[in-house]
Amino acid sequence: AQTVTQSQPEMSVQEAETVTLSCTYDTSENNYYLFWYKQPPSRQMILVIRQEAYKQQNATENRFSVNFQKAAKSFSLKISDSQLGDTAMYFCAFIPNFGNEKLTFGTGTRLTIIP
Amino acid sequence: NAGVTQTPKFQVLKTGQSMTLQCAQDMNHNSMYWYRQDPGMGLRLIYYSASEGTTDKGEVPNGYNVSRLNKREFSLRLESAAPSQTSVYFCASSEQGDEQFFGPGTRLTVL
Repeated sequence: AQTVTQSQPEMSVQEAETVTLSCTYDTSENNYYLFWYKQPPSRQMILVIRQEAYKQQNATENRFSVNFQKAAKSFSLKISDSQLGDTAMYFCAFIPNFGNEKLTFGTGTRLTIIP
Repeated sequence: NAGVTQTPKFQVLKTGQSMTLQCAQDMNHNSMYWYRQDPGMGLRLIYYSASEGTTDKGEVPNGYNVSRLNKREFSLRLESAAPSQTSVYFCASSEQGDEQFFGPGTRLTVL
């Protein structure tokens, strides 16, 4: 069974600073997908970024980027120039391969951006 | 384009009561899912449906039933609610194995 571990239950950072959220996973699969989802106080789940395991290049979406270390099974999220609207729960998630339906989530990191 | 919609947004039940949570999507996705979210545990998959007419158990299916009514709609039923089912419930949809789009959630309290 796949597992996803987020070891930082809570983090806080000053506005405009950079913050990195950690995620590790365990799988025996070679091809898989990784996601970071954001859940603001509104409770809506919003996809932040995705990474396909067969791609060596780290995914980037504006201020959000990942550090994907396949051998170490690590998938961290870096938020640059943090903004107050980045305050949210962040969940790392994993799908073992394309066509598999079972998305496994980590327990989340509560990120607070301090004005 | 409403995306994924869920009804109701809030519900309070007494132990032993039954109810159905409704979910609909307008993105023509084949796959639909039901999750529950509990504090400190992230989201856990209850049931999913890879296509119209099929359903499969997820990680925590006990106490729940589902119906994939058609391609758009996927309902979750609690036949005899228990306090342990107090949670926030999310419906999601996707094309097979790809990004999942989530509804706004239903906060359910069982007294």
